[in-house]
Amino acid sequence: EVQLLESGGDLIQPGGSLRLSCAAAGFTFTTFGMSWVRQAPGKGLEWVSSISGFGDDTYYADSVKGRFTISRDNSRDTLYLQMNSLRAEDTALYYCARASSYCSTTGCYPDSWGQGTLVTVSS
Amino acid sequence: EIVLTQSPATLSLSPGERATLSCRASQNVDRYFAWYQQKPGQAPRLLIYDASKRATGIPARFSGSGSGTDFTLTISSLEPEDFAVYYCQQRKNWPLTFGGGTKVEIK
Repeated sequence: EVQLLESGGDLIQPGGSLRLSCAAAGFTFTTFGMSWVRQAPGKGLEWVSSISGFGDDTYYADSVKGRFTISRDNSRDTLYLQMNSLRAEDTALYYCARASSYCSTTGCYPDSWGQGTLVTVSS
Repeated sequence: EIVLTQSPATLSLSPGERATLSCRASQNVDRYFAWYQQKPGQAPRLLIYDASKRATGIPARFSGSGSGTDFTLTISSLEPEDFAVYYCQQRKNWPLTFGGGTKVEIK
């Protein structure tokens, strides 16, 4: 069974930094692209960033480019999101999601999701 | 960026009725298109990929159609557990984008 467990969410002041983690289990981690998708309270889904299986390709939404960095440690089966220069509009539940095996690309439709970790940016 | 516009925003139906949800893309996405279901307090669930293929374990009452810029999700006969929010998503181009969602509520 695929398991994705996010952690690291917190209440943080504007301008601050935070690192999210997502521990994966139940599948061969290096085989799958991974993504972060966020959802502001009461709002819809927003794709944030994706990374290829070996970590050599990364992609970002314009809203976070230059502030967030996605990475992965395949020896630990863990995905990360380093978040710098946080803004109030970054407040959201951050989901870790695995690309499905329905296609071979990093951006394939996520078919497994964690339960999310909440990031609140407020003074 | 490809913008996905879902309609209607809210659909009020009774169990057993047919639900038809629409999503329009601002440019051609071929069939690189998916639908997700999200219930309160839960993560999204992939229903349909490549516009019309059901994901593993998804009941046959869910079907997807369309290509290019216009897509439809049909739920043939609503079950109580189908009342939820539905999102469309494209993977034709980066950035990946989602629609704003359609809430299917009990009438």
